[in-house]
Amino acid sequence: SQTIHQWPATLVQPVGSPLSLECTVEGTSNPNLYWYRQAAGRGLQLLFYSVGIGQISSEVPQNLSASRPQDRQFILSSKKLLLSDSGFYLCAWSPYPGTEAFFGQGTRLTVV
Amino acid sequence: GENVEQHPSTLSVQEGDSAVIKCTYSDSASNYFPWYKQELGKRPQLIIDIRSNVGEKKDQRIAVTLNKTAKHFSLHITETQPEDSAVYFCAASRGSSGDKLTFGTGTRLAVRP
Repeated sequence: SQTIHQWPATLVQPVGSPLSLECTVEGTSNPNLYWYRQAAGRGLQLLFYSVGIGQISSEVPQNLSASRPQDRQFILSSKKLLLSDSGFYLCAWSPYPGTEAFFGQGTRLTVV
Repeated sequence: GENVEQHPSTLSVQEGDSAVIKCTYSDSASNYFPWYKQELGKRPQLIIDIRSNVGEKKDQRIAVTLNKTAKHFSLHITETQPEDSAVYFCAASRGSSGDKLTFGTGTRLAVRP
């Protein structure tokens, strides 16, 4: 069966520090991968999605970037965090574009 | 692109009553409509979905209806229980290459014991 791993679960970082969140999927090949952000009490904002290695689409211009160095690995990065980057970050995968998405456990990022 | 609107934003019901959450979408080519439940501090989890070739789907106490002509779909929860309390998200997509899910803004459901 397929599983998705996302870490760390919680993270507290100072303003201006770098960020790297990692997500991996097991039990499938060529998954569609997504990064979402959820502000407190708010909806799901799609940040990036990828249909293959090295293929990244950005939905919202911002202080973040994403990379997909391997088929089942998706990384969210920032060179310098802002206070507004705080939130709940969710990685997700789907077997086909636009179909059911399965979410990782999420990373709660607090920028202080 | 697709735009999904979800109502109400908050909903409070008495245990045992029914709850209905409604979503409308803008892209007439959308044909896949999932619903997710997110408990406090947890990840969203798929609870039911429907594709455009059917008008209704049921799974125990939850059901989803779809009206493609009017471009709206609804989640129905019957005999609500306290454990149904969560935030529910609807979503829509074309289910085709290059597409992705567009989510509604969420409904916070509270079931009063």
